[in-house]
Amino acid sequence: DQQVKQNSPSLSVQEGRISILNCDYTNSMFDYFLWYKKYPAEGPTFLISISSIKDKNEDGRFTVFLNKSAKHLSLHIVPSQPGDSAVYFCAASLNNNDMRFGAGTRLTVKP
Amino acid sequence: SQTIHQWPATLVQPVGSPLSLECTVEGTSNPNLYWYRQAAGRGLQLLFYSVGIGQISSEVPQNLSASRPQDRQFILSSKKLLLSDSGFYLCAWSDDRSYEKLFFGSGTQLSVL
Repeated sequence: DQQVKQNSPSLSVQEGRISILNCDYTNSMFDYFLWYKKYPAEGPTFLISISSIKDKNEDGRFTVFLNKSAKHLSLHIVPSQPGDSAVYFCAASLNNNDMRFGAGTRLTVKP
Repeated sequence: SQTIHQWPATLVQPVGSPLSLECTVEGTSNPNLYWYRQAAGRGLQLLFYSVGIGQISSEVPQNLSASRPQDRQFILSSKKLLLSDSGFYLCAWSDDRSYEKLFFGSGTQLSVL
């Protein structure tokens, strides 16, 4: 039962342009959403998060948008840089012991 | 500062052999501990989590098991590995003060041949 879905396995963007990574979830009880970034052969690292009481959170070039009615969140990266090339995981938290991850989207930023 | 150590980084094991992956956390006490697996072409799957010594919750029925013999030590084991056990295994911890965020180890790439 995959409660968090990232339907795009890959995304390719030109350097300087906007990258938009999408994530859908099915459980309306999720109260916290996060994005993690993963380089090859490394563990994921936390990137940005958003509480369910908000609809937008911005941190530098990264902005996460939450649409609760659509059960959808997205990560915007502006401007995209080659160093942003990585796999991005969307995650949703239900309680202290339960965090669900999507399958990930591989972002490639071309110079 | 808190650190998480996971070893080995890579492991090649024959089918039917046992497995033991170890993870330790430093710089915090009573962390929540997790084992995740990323199979080839798939997302992160939660295998086990623990909120305290000896307390293990399993998410997916399989031939793997986990143990927490000490507060900051989490071990993933198998008596007999299957081909389908191949994947990238990640240990992670979270703090009650920031439970929304997980801090991952560097992972173990397991190949079962």
